[in-house]
Amino acid sequence: QSIVTQPPSASGTPGQKVTISCSGSDSNIGGHTVNWYQQLPGTAPKLLIFKNNQRPSGVPDRFSGSKSGTSASLAISGLQSEDEADYYCASWDATLNGQWVFGGGTKLTVL
Amino acid sequence: QVQLLQSGAEVKKPGASVKVSCKASGYTFTTYGINWVRQAPGQGLEWVGWISPYNGNKNYGQKFKGRVTMTIDTSTSTAYMELRSLGSDDTAVYYCAREGYVDYDSFYYYFMDVWGKGTTVTVSS
Repeated sequence: QSIVTQPPSASGTPGQKVTISCSGSDSNIGGHTVNWYQQLPGTAPKLLIFKNNQRPSGVPDRFSGSKSGTSASLAISGLQSEDEADYYCASWDATLNGQWVFGGGTKLTVL
Repeated sequence: QVQLLQSGAEVKKPGASVKVSCKASGYTFTTYGINWVRQAPGQGLEWVGWISPYNGNKNYGQKFKGRVTMTIDTSTSTAYMELRSLGSDDTAVYYCAREGYVDYDSFYYYFMDVWGKGTTVTVSS
């Protein structure tokens, strides 16, 4: 069971806006930045958002991230069929000598 | 281009060890740390640990301490992860991922920006 929690699933229709939440605690999200990863079926994860709301080059501006307190969220606007994937949030956790912690992942379905 | 090339799939018996390699190319190997992350079938991502190719510093996930060893060969720009005393719950895809960073006002922010394609490790009797 992850110490950072995400809803297991989310869905939307093409063109809609979908938001995925990520909830942690003071030792992780509350004290450190959040990164988001997209994992398309059968592939390795890909960095989508870093430092809460920064997009690597090549990531469309339809993807945006935010953080407040011990929670973060990923928003996808103008949903497209190719956005159907698993999404993971990740943050550094200061307990136990420090470690990366991932949320349990959210499977996004484009209806 | 920047890439991480991982070794091929492995099948091991319970109690055995496995060693996975991750060869970096397209960047200065010693400038970025290497993380190892695994994913059991149908499950989420789990951090295994990190190693610095610059100085060999390591940080292992609590769950894996005593059972994992990460090493570096700078002459071939290759990182290795060895996991011992394998059990069926170690069946997973093991990824190496480069630890990228940005510097804002002399503060560093880290993330995993380049991933290998993964190495499937199957533990079965």
